[in-house]
Amino acid sequence: GAVVSQHPSRVICKSGTSVKIECRSLDFQATTMFWYRQFPKQSLMLMATSNEGSKATYEQGVEKDKFLINHASLTLSTLTVTSAHPEDSSFYICSARVPLAGSYEQYFGPGTRLTVT
Amino acid sequence: AQTVTQSQPEMSVQEAETVTLSCTYDTSESNYYLFWYKQPPSRQMILVIRQEAYKQQNATENRFSVNFQKAAKSFSLKISDSQLGDTAMYFCAWVNRSSNTGKLIFGQGTTLQVKP
Repeated sequence: GAVVSQHPSRVICKSGTSVKIECRSLDFQATTMFWYRQFPKQSLMLMATSNEGSKATYEQGVEKDKFLINHASLTLSTLTVTSAHPEDSSFYICSARVPLAGSYEQYFGPGTRLTVT
Repeated sequence: AQTVTQSQPEMSVQEAETVTLSCTYDTSESNYYLFWYKQPPSRQMILVIRQEAYKQQNATENRFSVNFQKAAKSFSLKISDSQLGDTAMYFCAWVNRSSNTGKLIFGQGTTLQVKP
């Protein structure tokens, strides 16, 4: 089956610094990827939709200047949290849309736990 | 706006027994998919089962089956012969097939504990 990887799995950074999270589709090309944020015991909150070669579409309330998304290739999307603060600490999950006509399934990465100190 | 509601925050079941998780959704669309995803303690999201709205037959995947009631906008998940490995958070999700975005709308989730 299709595999989506994320790197790093855990990251700790200091307040005010930036951190980049990578999301890769390992054995398929993903024209559309999604970035989610999840708090403990809560549902996934969609942050943005990332399309290869174009600007990401952010959900309402998500600061696009703070959460920079780049989808430069068909197998890689990155999320950069700029000037991170403790309230940005969370679990971030990416997913890739299955590249089959008429399919709406998403394959999910294993997630990245971000802790801002 | 489309919404997905899971009204059971937590449930428990004895190993080998059957449990049903509830999900309702609200939409004016007629062409959509419904999914159940499982998120075990590892937090890796895993697709459990999918249902196409235009198919009347309920989907089944081994011990997992759904009861899809389109008119009632209900999509429950039945887990038979529950196993310890079924312990996880379960999310119901909806996607509009008429939209190019492919965005999933998730419910709040139900935490299922399977007890030995």
